[in-house]
Amino acid sequence: AQKVTQAQTEISVVEKEDVTLDCVYETRDTTYYLFWYKQPPSGELVFLIRRNSFDEQNEISGRYSWNFQKSTSSFNFTITASQVVDSAVYFCALSEARVRSNDYKLSFGAGTTVTVRA
Amino acid sequence: KAGVTQTPRYLIKTRGQQVTLSCSPISGHRSVSWYQQTPGQGLQFLFEYFSETQRNKGNFPGRFSGRQFSNSRSEMNVSTLELGDSALYLCASSSGQRTDTQYFGPGTRLTVL
Repeated sequence: AQKVTQAQTEISVVEKEDVTLDCVYETRDTTYYLFWYKQPPSGELVFLIRRNSFDEQNEISGRYSWNFQKSTSSFNFTITASQVVDSAVYFCALSEARVRSNDYKLSFGAGTTVTVRA
Repeated sequence: KAGVTQTPRYLIKTRGQQVTLSCSPISGHRSVSWYQQTPGQGLQFLFEYFSETQRNKGNFPGRFSGRQFSNSRSEMNVSTLELGDSALYLCASSSGQRTDTQYFGPGTRLTVL
């Protein structure tokens, strides 16, 4: 069974500080995808980034960066120079990609509420 | 390209009633998934439809059902509503390939009184 753990419930920072969100996952599969979604107060889940299990290269996209480490089953996400508009709930999610599996779904962590104060 | 749309955005029902929620996926997407979000249980997978067929189902009672039409639009129905069904119901669309990203709609907030 898949499992995603986000140990941080809430994080509060002052604008321009960096924020790192932790995500630890469990899966028996060798092929899987990891995602980060953002949920602002409006409720819609906004897709941020995706990484497959075969690509451990860490990247930076604008103010977002992520650190994927298979050895520790972690997929951490960092917002650099946070802004008030970054205030939202952030979810880490896992999807298996086995060819013969019908288990096409996202398993979500509990979410981390980020509050950025001006 | 228009995003995923869900109607209605807000709904208030009473216990015992039934409700139907609608989701229109991104144009060209053939897969629609439904998720329930509550403060206590978080985001939970309900079911997924692909080309009018239910391909996967989560661990929810039979009161929760869904269907997909030939234009890929999907509806989910909850019968005999209970107080615990109060939640944000999110719909996600994708091409249906296992490697694809799911894109979510704004959700329907259901309140059961």
